[in-house]
Amino acid sequence: DGGITQSPKYLFRKEGQNVTLSCEQNLNHDAMYWYRQDPGQGLRLIYYSQIVNDFQKGDIAEGYSVSREKKESFPLTVTSAQKNPTAFYLCASSPVAISYNEQFFGPGTRLTVL
Amino acid sequence: EDQVTQSPEALRLQEGESSSLNCSYTVSGLRGLFWYRQDPGKGPEFLFTLYSAGEEKEKERLKATLTKKESFLHITAPKPEDSATYLCAVQARSSASKIIFGSGTRLSIRP
Repeated sequence: DGGITQSPKYLFRKEGQNVTLSCEQNLNHDAMYWYRQDPGQGLRLIYYSQIVNDFQKGDIAEGYSVSREKKESFPLTVTSAQKNPTAFYLCASSPVAISYNEQFFGPGTRLTVL
Repeated sequence: EDQVTQSPEALRLQEGESSSLNCSYTVSGLRGLFWYRQDPGKGPEFLFTLYSAGEEKEKERLKATLTKKESFLHITAPKPEDSATYLCAVQARSSASKIIFGSGTRLSIRP
C-alpha cells in the first residue's frame, strides 16, 4: 500500500533532550513537509523540502532541524532550543507538478514534554 | 498577506440537517484551494481541490464550491460519521510549494 508513515505515534521527552520524529513515504513524491498543530489552531509549517539534499525553513523553524538524504525520508529533530515543543506533528508529501498540488498527510506524532 | 479564515469555529447539527461551512481567503493569485477532513488524533484526509471560481466538486454528502473570495463546503443530510474537523487551505501562485491552512470548523452531528 502506498502512503506516509510516521513513528512513533506517541513520544515523551524530558526537558533539555533532543528527539527525532520519523517520516517515510512510498508515493514517489518529490516534496515533503513538516507541520505543527496545536489545539484549536491551524497547521503551521516548520520545514519543507522539494528535492533531496535541499530544504527550506517554514514559518516556525526555530528550535527544529531536518535532513533529506533520501527521497523517501524526511526526519524532524526537535531540539532543546524549542521552547514549547508539546504538540501534534504532521508530515506530508506532494508531487511537484504544475497541476497537481495536493498534500497527503501521515497519521501524526504526538510529542509531550515532561 | 495571504490568509485563510474559516467559520464557524464549531457547528452542531442534528442528523439529516443540511448546512454549510465557510472558508474566506485572501491570496495573491489563487493556484488552488483544498478541503481536508481531520478526525481526532489523526492526520488530515484530502477531500477536494478547487482551482477556479465557479468550480464545484462532490463526494457523497459533501459538495465544495468556489468564488473569488470564498469557498463553501455544503453538507447534505449529514450522518454522525460525518463528525470531524474540516480544514480549508489555499496555495498562492507566488508560493507554489507552500499552502496556508485555516484553523478549521469542528462539525458535530447528533443522532
